[in-house]
Amino acid sequence: GQQLNQSPQSMFIQEGEDVSMNCTSSSIFNTWLWYKQEPGEGPVLLIALYKAGELTSNGRLTAQFGITRKDSFLNISASIPSDVGIYFCAGPPAGTALIFGKGTTLSVSS
Amino acid sequence: NAGVTQTPKFRVLKTGQSMTLLCAQDMNHEYMYWYRQDPGMGLRLIHYSVGEGTTAKGEVPDGYNVSRLKKQNFLLGLESAAPSQTSVYFCASTWSSGNTIYFGEGSWLTVV
Repeated sequence: GQQLNQSPQSMFIQEGEDVSMNCTSSSIFNTWLWYKQEPGEGPVLLIALYKAGELTSNGRLTAQFGITRKDSFLNISASIPSDVGIYFCAGPPAGTALIFGKGTTLSVSS
Repeated sequence: NAGVTQTPKFRVLKTGQSMTLLCAQDMNHEYMYWYRQDPGMGLRLIHYSVGEGTTAKGEVPDGYNVSRLKKQNFLLGLESAAPSQTSVYFCASTWSSGNTIYFGEGSWLTVV
């Protein structure tokens, strides 16, 4: 079936550092979504991308919809302790249900 | 503004017992989903529904059944619980595929 490969699996960084993570799919997506999940809660949408090449920001977060439509990137600038959590990429292959990457666990030390 | 509500939030079952998880959304969404989340596995789709009266299998449907008798509710049933079904279950909903989906707060299920 469809798979999303998300990397890295985990990151341990110092407060103030920038973070980059990416997601690739085996097929073309028309939508890329990035979610963040904090302990004990459900995922919350951070950024939605609907067009190849699109670059969208949400505060210190920036995400890009890859030109090939098979990948997407999420960057976090000047990380802070509250950025800790699991970040998921997601997309709907062939207009069906949303599938998720396995997540990138971010740890930030102050 | 309730959004997506899941009940129960926590449950412990014995192997072989049955139970139903209820998901309710008040946003008039057409699409509803059930995912399970296990360490290192991300969110895996169990079943989903694209409208009242319809259901479809996801990535890991075995051992689960679902029903969507009313547009606002999506039920996930375990007929004979197994320890492998110990997980956190998330319900989600959206207007249509490709739109933002909204998640419930999760249901922690332990099967002993």
